[in-house]
Amino acid sequence: AQKVTQAQTEISVVEKEDVTLDCVYETRDTTYYLFWYKQPPSGELVFLIRRNSFDEQNEISGRYSWNFQKSTSSFNFTITASQVVDSAVYFCALRLYGQNFVFGPGTRLSVLP
Amino acid sequence: KAGVTQTPRYLIKTRGQQVTLSCSPISGHRSVSWYQQTPGQGLQFLFEYFSETQRNKGNFPGRFSGRQFSNSRSEMNVSTLELGDSALYLCASSPGQGGSGELFFGEGSRLTVL
Repeated sequence: AQKVTQAQTEISVVEKEDVTLDCVYETRDTTYYLFWYKQPPSGELVFLIRRNSFDEQNEISGRYSWNFQKSTSSFNFTITASQVVDSAVYFCALRLYGQNFVFGPGTRLSVLP
Repeated sequence: KAGVTQTPRYLIKTRGQQVTLSCSPISGHRSVSWYQQTPGQGLQFLFEYFSETQRNKGNFPGRFSGRQFSNSRSEMNVSTLELGDSALYLCASSPGQGGSGELFFGEGSRLTVL
């Protein structure tokens, strides 16, 4: 069975600090897909990134970066120079081909001004 | 391009009643999935529909059901409501069935059962 763990339930940082959200996944399949979603107070899950298991290249998008390490089954998410608008709940998710998403429990990030 | 639209956004029901939630996917998307989000259980998969057929189902009792229409719009129904059914119900759409792509979510329907 697949499982996603996000050990950090809540994180608070002051604006402009860097913050890393941890994600550890479990699967026996060799082909899988990892995702990060952001859920602002409005409720909608906003897609941030998708990674497949064959692509361990890290990715940077503006202030966001992702570190995928198969050796430790981790897919961590870093926000550089955090802003108040980054306050939200962030979900890491795992998907096997053709199957439903398995979400982690989420990490609530509060960025204080 | 309009996003996923869910109605109603908020509703209050009492135990024993039933409820129907509606979801209009992004234009051109043929797959619709439903998820239940609660503080205790997090995001849990309910079911997925593609071309009016249920393709995948989560571990929920038979009180939870859904359907998809020929225009890809979907509805889910919960009968004999229980207090524990209070949750945010999220609908998501994607262009094709299953696969590996991302899902596009609506803002959800927040159901409160009294």
